[in-house]
Parts: sequence; C-alpha cells; structure tokens
Amino acid sequence: GENVEQHPSTLSVQEGDSAVIKCTYSDSASNYFPWYKQELGKRPQLIIDIRSNVGEKKDQRIAVTLNKTAKHFSLHITETQPEDSAVYFCAASRGGADGLTFGKGTHLIIQP
Amino acid sequence: DSGVTQTPKHLITATGQRVTLRCSPRSGDLSVYWYQQSLDQGLQFLIQYYNGEERAKGNILERFSAQQFPDLHSELNLSSLELGDSALYFCASSYSQDSPSYEQYFGPGTRLTVT
Repeated sequence: GENVEQHPSTLSVQEGDSAVIKCTYSDSASNYFPWYKQELGKRPQLIIDIRSNVGEKKDQRIAVTLNKTAKHFSLHITETQPEDSAVYFCAASRGGADGLTFGKGTHLIIQP
Repeated sequence: DSGVTQTPKHLITATGQRVTLRCSPRSGDLSVYWYQQSLDQGLQFLIQYYNGEERAKGNILERFSAQQFPDLHSELNLSSLELGDSALYFCASSYSQDSPSYEQYFGPGTRLTVT
C-alpha cells in the first residue's frame, strides 16, 4: 500500500517568514495530493490540493509543488501569520475511489 | 463549517461494549469515508462507501463495520471495544454527481473514550 513520509515534524518560523513542509510518497499510481490544516480539537480542513498532471498550484500565500519523478511534493506558505499556527498534514491517494494516506503531520509554530 | 455532520460529539464507554457513530455527508455527496485519528497511529483511513456500496477498505479491524443507507448517511459500528480504540473518528464526504471531485471534506469528529 501507499506510504507517505512528512518532514519536519515541528517547524518554528518568525512571523512574516516562509515555511516549507515536504512529503514523499511510495505508490506511483497515486495521482491526488491534498494538504490539510488542523487546529487543536478541530476537523482537518482542506487548504490546497494538486493532481499528478500539474506541477505547481498557488492560492494566495499558499503553494504546492509536485515532482512525480522523485515522488515528492511540498507545501509553501509565504508571509506567515499567527493564524497559520496549526498542524499540517499531507496526503496521497489514487483519486475518488480511494481513501487518503496521510503523513504524520507537521506542527507549524509562528513566532511573533 | 464543511456541511458534514457527525453525532455524537463525545462518547464514553467501557471495554467490551459496542457503539455506533453516525455521519451525514454534504448535500449531494455520494461518497463517505471513515478515518481514525490517534496519537500513536496518526490519521488512518478505515473504509469508504459510494452510493450505498463499499468501495475501498483501509486499516479497518474486523471488530469494526460500516454501512451507508439509501439517504446516504453512514454509520460506523465498533464492537468488543478495547482501550486502544480510544480516538477521534472522522467522517469525510466527496463526489457530488453534479461535480465529481476528489476533494474530501471532513466532519467535526466523534471523540471516543473507552475506559
């Protein structure tokens, strides 16, 4: 089955700086890669996703890049703000007829 | 608010007991997924139903079962509960017939505590 590795487990950055979280996956048949943000005690919220036919996707301060050959994808957050503090999860799947395989999560801390 | 609802919010029960968790997907969504989140195992996919039929299975124990009803709500049944089953159980939905999509939207979760 699919295996998703996520790094780092904790990331502390100064407010206004950029944050990068990286994930690798093992199943070459995976074609959908979402990122979720989860605040303490709350539901995972979908913040951005990318499909395997696209190399990069941007939404305001958030971007995701995908390297299919190397089987890795990354989340980039620019101009970080205190409200970005949360746990971020990457995931991979083969699409609609498949559950998501999640990474272990990255605890992002934004220092004022 | 994702539009996915789950009940109950909290559940406390004893080892050996059986519980049922309920999920209503977003209006129009045909797929329901169940996930378990615990500190040691992280977020794990359990099972998926699409329009009433089982579509995919993940790391679901034999003591656990699920079903999706004609009105598309789903129930996850957990039996012979053990202390290690204590976790947050999330349901997610996706795939409207009008706009087929891979995006999964999560409900607020049910926190299960087994004592």
